[in-house]
Amino acid sequence: EVQLVQSGAEVKKPGESLKISCKGSGYSFTSYWIGWVRQMPGKGLEWMGIIYPGDSDTRYSPSFQGQVTISADKSISTAYLQWSSLKASDTAMYYCATSIAVAGEAFDYWGQGTLVTVSS
Amino acid sequence: QSALTQPASVSGSPGQSITISCTGTSSDVGGYNYVSWYQQHPGKAPKLMIYEVSNRPSGVPDRFSGSKSGNTASLTISGLQAEDEADYYCSSYTSSSTLDVVFGGGTKLTVL
Repeated sequence: EVQLVQSGAEVKKPGESLKISCKGSGYSFTSYWIGWVRQMPGKGLEWMGIIYPGDSDTRYSPSFQGQVTISADKSISTAYLQWSSLKASDTAMYYCATSIAVAGEAFDYWGQGTLVTVSS
Repeated sequence: QSALTQPASVSGSPGQSITISCTGTSSDVGGYNYVSWYQQHPGKAPKLMIYEVSNRPSGVPDRFSGSKSGNTASLTISGLQAEDEADYYCSSYTSSSTLDVVFGGGTKLTVL
């Protein structure tokens, strides 16, 4: 069974750093792209970027380029999303997702989400 | 990068059919057959309902169908059921700048 299990909710202060994780299981982690999607409170979905764990090829949405870093450790089948200096506007639910049985840009498997709250 | 345009809300009665539109440009919806639709219930992760414009993943009822004409894609739900009440988002591959994928703003479906 394909599963993406994300790390737990985080409460941070502005300026702090953070790295959240997404562990894949039940499939060949290195063979499929994993993406990250942001959902701010009460708002829609935003595509942040995507990584191919096999060779760490990474692409970012221009809106998120330079604001976050996407990485992966294929030895432990885990993808990461990290911030070096959080802002209050980073408060959101963050989902990881992957495409296993479908083609194109679609994500057919999603993590449960990680809620990040940034507040002083 | 502008999000794809969806109506903020649609509604229908049980058993009826509704259609949600998703309008983009020739750089995204109109340029590729890579349009997907997601259903999201409150507090839940999105669920893929349609990919590549009109394909249904395994397990998605055939009440859900997708199509595309020019720069506008559509999701049609026939035989509306109470459990279809949710937010729906479209997405498309895009060649704008370096962005790979863009989402629509989302549509709240209310089953009356």
